Amino acid sequence: QSVLTQPPSVSGAPGQRVTISCTGSSSNIGADYDVHWYQQLPGTAPKLLIYGNSNRPSGVPDRFSGSKSGTSASLAITGLQAEDEADYYCQSYDSSLGGHVLFGGGTKLTVL
Amino acid sequence: QVQLQESGPGLVKPSETLSLTCTVSGYSISSGYHWGWFRQPPGKGPEWIGNLDRGGNTFYNPSLKSRVTISVDTSKNQFSLRLSSVTAADTAVYYCARVQSVAGFKDYFDYWGQGTLVTVSS
Repeated sequence: QSVLTQPPSVSGAPGQRVTISCTGSSSNIGADYDVHWYQQLPGTAPKLLIYGNSNRPSGVPDRFSGSKSGTSASLAITGLQAEDEADYYCQSYDSSLGGHVLFGGGTKLTVL
Repeated sequence: QVQLQESGPGLVKPSETLSLTCTVSGYSISSGYHWGWFRQPPGKGPEWIGNLDRGGNTFYNPSLKSRVTISVDTSKNQFSLRLSSVTAADTAVYYCARVQSVAGFKDYFDYWGQGTLVTVSS
């Protein structure tokens, strides 16, 4: 199956801005399928953070933002807080093999 | 508030069938929405297993399709997962979720169960 590639880890100090990339291909992100982002705190289920490339569900702070261009997408977190330390996953759809939902491998965010 | 809760055996023997149920509260399954199953092996990212749409149609991950069955019981407001011929590689936390179905294969998952660990071991 195709993959969505994320950096294994990123880090930043409180108050800083970090970005997490999600790189795909012409059969997923590049085929105009939306990218969605999830936050997973330790021992909990994934939580929807961004949907439709750049939309925030109700209750998600505007410190979190998403964007997409070409075959890649990015999640940006500004004003980093200790509570943001978590794993972050991108998700899209891939048209290969008859079509399937696809997740990135995840990025561990460490707040220094 | 929609809530989902997975239930089923936490230990399954190799070659047997894994069976899990997701009970939905706060919303009637028959009223709409699509519903999905995922799993997450220890230390890895989520893997989509399959979806069930409001018409009872199912869509499976090609890598698991030959072993997976997702079904619904609207009378109990539940949907279920069966995964046959399991091996140690199927050990994971299994989640159910509600699907926000968007035209153009742009679905995302807005409500998740807390997950249940299933270990495949003899």
